[in-house]
Amino acid sequence: DIQMTQSPSSLSASVGDSVTITCRASQSINNYLSWFQLKPGKAPKLLIYAASILQGGVPSTFSGSGSGTDFTLTISSLQPEDFATYYCHQGYSVPYTFGPGTKLEIK
Amino acid sequence: QVQLVESGGGVVQPGRSLRLSCATSGFSFSSSGMHWVRLAPGRGLEWVAVTSYDGNDNYYADSVKGRFTVSRDNPRNTLFLHMNSLRTDDTAVYYCAKGSLSGDLTGYWGQGTQVTVSS
Repeated sequence: DIQMTQSPSSLSASVGDSVTITCRASQSINNYLSWFQLKPGKAPKLLIYAASILQGGVPSTFSGSGSGTDFTLTISSLQPEDFATYYCHQGYSVPYTFGPGTKLEIK
Repeated sequence: QVQLVESGGGVVQPGRSLRLSCATSGFSFSSSGMHWVRLAPGRGLEWVAVTSYDGNDNYYADSVKGRFTVSRDNPRNTLFLHMNSLRTDDTAVYYCAKGSLSGDLTGYWGQGTQVTVSS
C-alpha cells in the first residue's frame, strides 16, 4: 500500500500570509495527487487534482505542484475562510490513501 | 445539478451490521465509479472502498476488507455500503463520492451520515 505523509502536522499563520504544505508518497504516484480542505461539519472540498490543476470555483490563491513522490500545496494571501485542515490524497493505486492532515490555525 | 445524499447511519452495537445508502442524481451514475470515505473523531480522512461503474470491480481499505461490501443499483442510481462485524473504531461520518474517469475522487461528495458503534 502507498503511504502518504504530510508536513507540518499543524501550522499557525496570519491573514495575508503565504503558507506551504508538503506531501510525500512512499512510492511514485506520477501526478495522481489531490488536495482536499476539511472544515467541521462540512464535506471535504476538492481544491487541486492531478497535482496542479485547480478545481473549478477554487480561488487562485491556492496552487499545487509536484510529481512522483513529492508534492506541495501553497496558499498565498491567507483569508479567514482558509483556516481549516488540509489533506493530500493519492489516486494512483488501490487502496487509495490520504495523508494524515495539516491543521492550519490562525495565529 | 449533481447531488449525493447518504442515509442509513445510526447507533449500532459492536458485532452488528448496518447498510448505508447513497442516493444520487444529476449525473450518469451508471457510467461513474463511486467511493466511500470516512472521517472518524480525532482521526483524519480514510478512504474506505470504491466500486467500478458496473459494480464488477470493488476494492477496499485493509481496515474494512472482509467486513464491508460495496454494491450499487444502477437503475435506481443508488450506492450501498454493507457493514458487518462492526467495531468501535468504525465510528465515523461516512461520505459517498463520485469517481473520476481515472477512478479517483472528484469534488462531488455527499454531506455524510454518522455511524456510531457503541455498546
